[in-house]
Amino acid sequence: EIVLTQSPGTLSLSPGERVTLSCRASQSVSSNYLAWYQQKPGQAPRLLIYAASSRATGIPDRFSGSGSGTDFTLTISRLEPEDFAVYYCQQYGNSPPMYTFGQGTKLEIK
Amino acid sequence: QVQLQESGPGLVKPSGTLSLTCAVSGVSITSTWWSWVRQPPGKGLEWIGEIDHSGRTNYNPSLESRVTISVDESKNLFSLNLNSLTAADTALYYCVRGGTYYLSYWGQGTLVTVSS
Repeated sequence: EIVLTQSPGTLSLSPGERVTLSCRASQSVSSNYLAWYQQKPGQAPRLLIYAASSRATGIPDRFSGSGSGTDFTLTISRLEPEDFAVYYCQQYGNSPPMYTFGQGTKLEIK
Repeated sequence: QVQLQESGPGLVKPSGTLSLTCAVSGVSITSTWWSWVRQPPGKGLEWIGEIDHSGRTNYNPSLESRVTISVDESKNLFSLNLNSLTAADTALYYCVRGGTYYLSYWGQGTLVTVSS
């Protein structure tokens, strides 16, 4: 089973700043199988990025994903007040077929 | 517009069985795979399992011995049963529409508390 480790656990930043979140896999992951989600307090997670770098419908272009193999990143080019939330990476594995999530990175206002 | 709505008891006794249903609207349940994901209060996300319209399933190995996911194509819904409950099963339970190796649309979630 592949384990995803996100870093850092918490980030304190100001609106307007650029941020890069990290997701590291314990084994190589196909880029097609890597996704990112945003979760705000009291809300369900929302899909941001799939296949490592494709934005989901309606996601602003300040969000971008990249990476391959064991290292993936989510970048927010210029933080808006509504971007302060928890972000999770997720991979889909074939042996066994299952989804696994990272533990999350909390982005908080400085 | 895709909508998913979870329903079921909010309180279940230890050693009992959790039964939840997810009503899907705006899309046919035959279109893709459907998952259950849970989130203990203040913690991260855990995938429970998935099902397609024909009833094929995949389960999280850590829960497989206690989980059953079923589908009712005629009613456009799918269901979760989780037995032998303990306090560790207290969580917000989400039903989710699967995509191609990602989870595209999430229900609002339903809180299930395991307590006597």
